[in-house]
Amino acid sequence: EPEVTQTPSHQVTQMGQEVILRCVPISNHLYFYWYRQILGQKVEFLVSFYNNEISEKSEIFDDQFSVERPDGSNFTLKIRSTKLEDSAMYFCASSQQGTSTDTQYFGPGTRLTVL
Amino acid sequence: QKEVEQNSGPLSVPEGAIASLNCTYSDRVSQSFFWYRQYSGKSPELIMSIYSNGDKEDGRFTAQLNKASQYVSLLIRDSQPSDSATYLCAVNGAGGTSYGKLTFGQGTILTVHP
Repeated sequence: EPEVTQTPSHQVTQMGQEVILRCVPISNHLYFYWYRQILGQKVEFLVSFYNNEISEKSEIFDDQFSVERPDGSNFTLKIRSTKLEDSAMYFCASSQQGTSTDTQYFGPGTRLTVL
Repeated sequence: QKEVEQNSGPLSVPEGAIASLNCTYSDRVSQSFFWYRQYSGKSPELIMSIYSNGDKEDGRFTAQLNKASQYVSLLIRDSQPSDSATYLCAVNGAGGTSYGKLTFGQGTILTVHP
């Protein structure tokens, strides 16, 4: 069964450093998403992406964040200058059609720890 | 007012019992509703989706939607210890134009004890 994959599973970085989180969405899916979950808190939407453009972003997704689809398979989230409060699980998700009834499939997540 | 609200629990039920999980949402134009299960340290895994008023059954799981009351629930019949997890209610289409953006509740912790 196709699945969303993410690398690395755990990333430790120093405050102020740049990190890139990588995702490979399901191959025939066209819509991609990033969510984050701070420990003990709810899953929060960051950004949606379609046709090489951001469709929507949340207030959390400020200028420190960027997304890119550098090739036909990868979808990346870059945090330019990490802060302590960026420590969280970051989940990539993908869906086929991007409609409101379409199922989003989540990857296993990357645990980001900012020291 | 929170957009999607769930009782955080924990909800504890004996093995074989029915577990009832509830969720309310604030935006009347919300289009579709999802229940995800999340084991500790893992990613959300879809259990059920529901778009129309009424009940939808899939195996031991039944989702119920009442758009007039802005209420969605999940019933788990014959609960098993392996059902012990956090159950996340998610809403799509909140805000009328936010297709694709899932808004999650804080989750209900379910414990099924033998």
